[in-house]
Amino acid sequence: GAGVSQTPSNKVTEKGKYVELRCDPISGHTALYWYRQSLGQGPEFLIYFQGTGAADDSGLPNDRFFAVRPEGSVSTLKIQRTERGDSAMYLCASSLKKLGPSVFTGELFFGEGSRLTVL
Amino acid sequence: GENVEQHPSTLSVQEGDSAVIKCTYSDSASNYFPWYKQELGKRPQLIIDIRSNVGEKKDQRIAVTLNKTAKHFSLHITETQPEDSAVYFCAASIWNTDKLIFGTGTRLQVFP
Repeated sequence: GAGVSQTPSNKVTEKGKYVELRCDPISGHTALYWYRQSLGQGPEFLIYFQGTGAADDSGLPNDRFFAVRPEGSVSTLKIQRTERGDSAMYLCASSLKKLGPSVFTGELFFGEGSRLTVL
Repeated sequence: GENVEQHPSTLSVQEGDSAVIKCTYSDSASNYFPWYKQELGKRPQLIIDIRSNVGEKKDQRIAVTLNKTAKHFSLHITETQPEDSAVYFCAASIWNTDKLIFGTGTRLQVFP
């Protein structure tokens, strides 16, 4: 597609439920990121994929959060036993990353986000 | 890990004036410093970035300066316009880690 696509755009759930948030990156972008943004705050790093593997998952707050990217394109962020504190905008971004100094670009292209509200 | 602090949290200027937003970072290994603009209800978008091998970069009315010794970098917007009103985020990362750490943001309001 033309840009990073995230679904759903809005998700309201009850405390304790399971949710999945989907991200479809820009075609050809090898790197995919998940960030969480609370109101009035900057994006908080959660996890980064290079291809199919999670290159850095140090930002995941606890083991209720998990993300996959099985075919190196679409990614799903999974949250188990949701808590009210999980309420936030979840942003996905992708970037074109190739090995070699001459073909790297650091620009992250963000999706519109998935707003999660846990009641 | 890296920590990025950003000041001020809000900034109001008159149209045509300059605006400066400052950030500091903690990890001396960081070598990539982008700035993102986020309009209300929109996604963050890159407006300018700088790498540690240069001290300044300009793009029309915006410029970024980097002081590696002091571990701080700044965004300068000249001749501000109402459409510059948005939240601006600085960020820092170590190049090959790809983990971009964002500041807390500056809400810029430009009054006509």
